[in-house]
Amino acid sequence: QSALTQPASVSGSPGQSITISCTGTNSDLGDYDFVCWYQQHPGKAPKLLIYGVNDRPSGVSNRISGSKSGNTASLTISGLQAEDEADYYCTSYTSSSTLVFGGGTKLTVL
Amino acid sequence: QEQLVQSGAEVKKPGSSVKVSCKASGATFSRYPLNWVRQAPGQGLEWMGDIIPIVGTANYAQRFQGRVTITADGSTSTAYMELSGLRFEDTAVYYCAQKGGGHCNGGSCYSLDYWGQGTLVTVSS
Repeated sequence: QSALTQPASVSGSPGQSITISCTGTNSDLGDYDFVCWYQQHPGKAPKLLIYGVNDRPSGVSNRISGSKSGNTASLTISGLQAEDEADYYCTSYTSSSTLVFGGGTKLTVL
Repeated sequence: QEQLVQSGAEVKKPGSSVKVSCKASGATFSRYPLNWVRQAPGQGLEWMGDIIPIVGTANYAQRFQGRVTITADGSTSTAYMELSGLRFEDTAVYYCAQKGGGHCNGGSCYSLDYWGQGTLVTVSS
């Protein structure tokens, strides 16, 4: 199972919006709506931001949203803040009943 | 509130094995897949496998098949991940992670709400 494809890095200025893409195949993203997104700050464990493509756990800012079209999922963060600077990872359930991660995207807030 | 507490850092020789534990404090340990995820220095997250403690059957990522063994002890709410044939490239932080609550089925059980603090495994000669 190959990793999902994410851009290595994205950047934006405070107050702007950014979108991170996550591309898979018909054996994972294309076939299931079990997509999650995680935020990871340096030296910390990942934090769940989005599950089920576009649902937010309690306590996650409504500036964060998810979507999916075909084999590609997207994470959008609006109103960028300095604290959003982190690494972001997508995951998808697969047809092999396994989980696959994206390669990760480093978000820089300029 | 679920909490996952992992065992401490390990230094191992190439070719040896390591066993990392993950103890859960909440009431949902047995119901959801308990996942193991690793992160090599400066690299991304990688799913290794999981186990549903109440069932006891583990599921592994293909690239770790034959080298990793995941087990769980429901009586102590503890899961274990043993990796054998260690190589230098197995140096990484190993995390356990699990869904926190609510109904789920199949893939929806893999939203990982709770994570352990991570265990650094260093493979060095």
